[in-house]
Amino acid sequence: GAVVSQHPSRVICKSGTSVKIECRSLDFQATTMFWYRQFPKQSLMLMATSNEGSKATYEQGVEKDKFLINHASLTLSTLTVTSAHPEDSSFYICSARGWAPYNEQFFGPGTRLTVL
Amino acid sequence: EDQVTQSPEALRLQEGESSSLNCSYTVSGLRGLFWYRQDPGKGPEFLFTLYSAGEEKEKERLKATLTKKESFLHITAPKPEDSATYLCAAAGNDYKLSFGAGTTVTVRA
Repeated sequence: GAVVSQHPSRVICKSGTSVKIECRSLDFQATTMFWYRQFPKQSLMLMATSNEGSKATYEQGVEKDKFLINHASLTLSTLTVTSAHPEDSSFYICSARGWAPYNEQFFGPGTRLTVL
Repeated sequence: EDQVTQSPEALRLQEGESSSLNCSYTVSGLRGLFWYRQDPGKGPEFLFTLYSAGEEKEKERLKATLTKKESFLHITAPKPEDSATYLCAAAGNDYKLSFGAGTTVTVRA
């Protein structure tokens, strides 16, 4: 159990285009989903937290107009990187947490974004 | 501010050579201490959650323990397939995870 999927696994796009990444919890309902970014040989950096039906909460320094997050249902959250630029190239990973008292976050396989 | 520090950064082991990884944490209102395994180019794989000092959990060759300030991940008689980066994370009152930088373990046959 506790499987989280991400789509696509890899995307290459031109500078100035927008890219949407989907995160789904396949076998449980996620009260909260999280979006992380990971640079090579570094640990995960939390970008934002999203709860179903409400606005996402962004970490300090993360541009909410560039990284749009929608959490439309208890099993789906999307991250849209708007007007992507080469510096947005990174490994994006989502996680999902189920109902209390279980606090585990289960991670998706990640999406490698390359902006040319 | 919540803080998680892992040591060592890298660990090279011979197959069968047991060792321990350290995770020191400073978190307001610990809601859980988590261990994950991450292989290159993949998302973290959940291993353990520890909630209170004195708690221990085991899975195959891995055993995680927790004190009020530290957690240890013991690898007993490791095999090459145990090679990975092991991440420690702590959740505070807001349930957000603060990650350590990770320990990259390489097990030679």
